[in-house]
Amino acid sequence: AIRMTQSPSSVSASTGDRVTITCRASQDFNTYLAWYQQKPGKAPKLLIYATSSLQRGVPSRFSGSGSGTDFTLTISSLQSEDSATYYCQQSYSFPWTFGQGTKVEIK
Amino acid sequence: EVQLVESGGGLVQPGGSLRLSCVGSGFTFSVYEMNWVRQAPGKGLEWISYISMSGSTKYYADSVKGRVTISRDNAKNALSLQMNGLRAEDTAVYYCAGGVGYGYMAVWGNGTTVTVSS
Repeated sequence: AIRMTQSPSSVSASTGDRVTITCRASQDFNTYLAWYQQKPGKAPKLLIYATSSLQRGVPSRFSGSGSGTDFTLTISSLQSEDSATYYCQQSYSFPWTFGQGTKVEIK
Repeated sequence: EVQLVESGGGLVQPGGSLRLSCVGSGFTFSVYEMNWVRQAPGKGLEWISYISMSGSTKYYADSVKGRVTISRDNAKNALSLQMNGLRAEDTAVYYCAGGVGYGYMAVWGNGTTVTVSS
């Protein structure tokens, strides 16, 4: 199984800050990488698919990039409503796997 | 409104069985690849099962293989997960989730809680 490792595990930043979350895969693949946002007690929400495509309705301050084994989710200007846990997920090969999550808190 | 609604969760004893259901509305269910994803209390997300649009292809995580069966009825916009031989470590919120390709999951239900305990 492809192991997905996110860093950092948590980050605290101020509104307006740029926040970057990294997801490293245990093997090389392209495209089949998604990012989700989950708020407490809620279902996950798809933000980014195919590494860099923004899901409809998601604010443009969210962006994704990467290739090979290293992928990144960037929030260009952090807003209070972005406080959540973020997960990467690979769908290159079964079993599909998620990263362990990155908790983003607002200072 | 695009919606998935799960049901069937509850408290079950170790070794018991449970059947989870998920019904979709507001979108063309038959063109969505569907999945079950679970989240143990205080833990991250774990993908556990996939079923293709037609239902002909299925995959399972090793943690549940041989104990669960995924199925769908496109005429009823319904997805199911039959769970047998339940263990304490199966305690989690179970989400059904679907997408139209590349493995990403664009539509999620609100989850149903399964608790395995004596």
